[in-house]
Amino acid sequence: GENVEQHPSTLSVQEGDSAVIKCTYSDSASNYFPWYKQELGKRPQLIIDIRSNVGEKKDQRIAVTLNKTAKHFSLHITETQPEDSAVYFCAARLHGSSNTGKLIFGQGTTLQVKP
Amino acid sequence: GAGVSQSPSNKVTEKGKDVELRCDPISGHTALYWYRQSLGQGLEFLIYFQGNSAPDKSGLPSDRFSAERTGGSVSTLTIQRTQQEDSAVYLCASSLVGELFFGEGSRLTVL
Repeated sequence: GENVEQHPSTLSVQEGDSAVIKCTYSDSASNYFPWYKQELGKRPQLIIDIRSNVGEKKDQRIAVTLNKTAKHFSLHITETQPEDSAVYFCAARLHGSSNTGKLIFGQGTTLQVKP
Repeated sequence: GAGVSQSPSNKVTEKGKDVELRCDPISGHTALYWYRQSLGQGLEFLIYFQGNSAPDKSGLPSDRFSAERTGGSVSTLTIQRTQQEDSAVYLCASSLVGELFFGEGSRLTVL
């Protein structure tokens, strides 16, 4: 079955610095890789996703890169701000014909941005 | 409301009792997921429903756990003979294409 490993488990950066979170997955048939942000006491929410036919995707200060050969993908946050402090989860999914499928999450990374 | 609704939001029960957790997905969403999140931990996959297909139950931790989805909409997660290690937040999510929309979760405490 699919397994997703996420590192680091905690990350502390100074405001304005960049943050990088890395994930690896086990199933080479996985083709959809979203990232979710969970603020304290709140529900996880999608912040960016990437499909296997794309190597990189960017949305303002966040970007995701995918290396299918190595089976790893990363989240990059630039110019970090205190409101970026949260737990970030990567995930991997095998797409079925319905364009949905079982989504397996990594263990999460607690990001702290110090003012 | 238009979001995923879960009930109860909080449930305290005694060890050995059965509990039922309910999820109302977003109308029209064909996929429904249950996850478990223990304190400070990740999102542990439990079960996935897609339309009328047989559910993927590969994440259910023991035979004390079961879930059903009636009419392709509302889902109920049932935990029989609860144990203290079942204490966690149980999150439901629904999806149509791509993005999962999570509910607020049901916090279960087993005394």
